[in-house]
Amino acid sequence: DIVMTQSPDSLAVSLGERATINCKSSQSVLYSSNNKNFLAWFQQKPGQPPKLLISWASTRESGVPDRFSGSGSGTDFTLTISSLQAEDVAVYYCQQYYTAPFSFGPGTKVDIK
Amino acid sequence: QVHLVQSGAEVKKPGASVKVSCKASGYTFTDFYMHWLRQAPGQGLEWMGIINPSIGRATYAQKFQGRVTMTRDASTSTFYMELSSLKSQDTAVYYCARTPSIGTFDMWGQGAMVTVSS
Repeated sequence: DIVMTQSPDSLAVSLGERATINCKSSQSVLYSSNNKNFLAWFQQKPGQPPKLLISWASTRESGVPDRFSGSGSGTDFTLTISSLQAEDVAVYYCQQYYTAPFSFGPGTKVDIK
Repeated sequence: QVHLVQSGAEVKKPGASVKVSCKASGYTFTDFYMHWLRQAPGQGLEWMGIINPSIGRATYAQKFQGRVTMTRDASTSTFYMELSSLKSQDTAVYYCARTPSIGTFDMWGQGAMVTVSS
């Protein structure tokens, strides 16, 4: 099974400042035949289901603000919020869909400093 | 508009079973796989299994093998997840979420809280 880890567990960032979350997979999630990373990022607010922000490691979903960006390949990935807004307070999860069982990182809680 | 609407909260006793439903609308039923996941209070997300809506074949996470059954009713575009031999550790919000044939969870149900308590 692929184990996902995230760092930090939580972070507090001032409004308008950058937030960076790291994610690591225990094995590569890069599929060589199509050169795609099977890695997604989700945002979850209290009492709500997760919301897909980014798939294929760096493809923003429709309607997701461009302050959210994803990068990385293989086993190391990053989610960046370029200018934190109040509505971005949430828990963020990375997830691999390279192979079942599909697994999530433990989450990173983002707050306002 | 795509919707996944789940059944309501349940309270069950240890050893009982629970069946959660997920009604899909706004898209072609057979175009997306359906998954079930759960999230214990204050915890992360755990994948339970997947069902192919075209043929009704399900594949389960090893942890839930023998205790979970995923089915679908194509006539009503509804998916079901039944979990048996409930324990207090099964207390969680249970989600259905769809994926395309290749890709990740792009739409989620609102969640169904299942509480297991004597």
